[in-house]
Amino acid sequence: DTEVTQTPKHLVMGMTNKKSLKCEQHMGHRAMYWYKQKAKKPPELMFVYSYEKLSINESVPSRFSPECPNSSLLNLHLHALQPEDSALYLCASSQEEARTYEQYFGPGTRLTVT
Amino acid sequence: DQQVKQNSPSLSVQEGRISILNCDYTNSMFDYFLWYKKYPAEGPTFLISISSIKDKNEDGRFTVFLNKSAKHLSLHIVPSQPGDSAVYFCAAVTKYNFNKFYFGSGTKLNVKP
Repeated sequence: DTEVTQTPKHLVMGMTNKKSLKCEQHMGHRAMYWYKQKAKKPPELMFVYSYEKLSINESVPSRFSPECPNSSLLNLHLHALQPEDSALYLCASSQEEARTYEQYFGPGTRLTVT
Repeated sequence: DQQVKQNSPSLSVQEGRISILNCDYTNSMFDYFLWYKKYPAEGPTFLISISSIKDKNEDGRFTVFLNKSAKHLSLHIVPSQPGDSAVYFCAAVTKYNFNKFYFGSGTKLNVKP
């Protein structure tokens, strides 16, 4: 199984809503990532979890709150977002050993903030 | 400061011909380079990679070349197929912080039938 799954596929939320994005992988990867991607731009790293601990936070606003309940699951909790937060949110995973660097991406959640 | 650059936003190639996508970088500490392919409304898909100790890696129709002295890598697709039409991102990583990818801005490849 080389798949990273993400739910929901699409999400529309108001600026006062609270919602969560979910990501799951069963490849035994111990690093998991959240990226944000705007149209015609490369993916932009937000957070990295390594062995279920937050290892990188790229100065992301606190209205985005990541959570890694176990080695297979990654959540991104959203609260009081702004319209400029509308984007494709990608989850990825990778082996944590440095011998291989490939990250495997999920299909993304298309988020629209109204 | 963009450490990885793809200077061609788009490329159009006839089916059956070679597609060459280019990528330049500035950080000599990069140890590993990767190419990803992305279709609209999908996540990027890993295509091929190369270690900095090599100058070529081949996988089927895809070959990546690395010129360390020029800090330049290229992806060759031969023969190009219409299904190859997508946005291609190159990425670079150091072994000291291998969780952090530095992505180029992408090149949109259009393979015409």
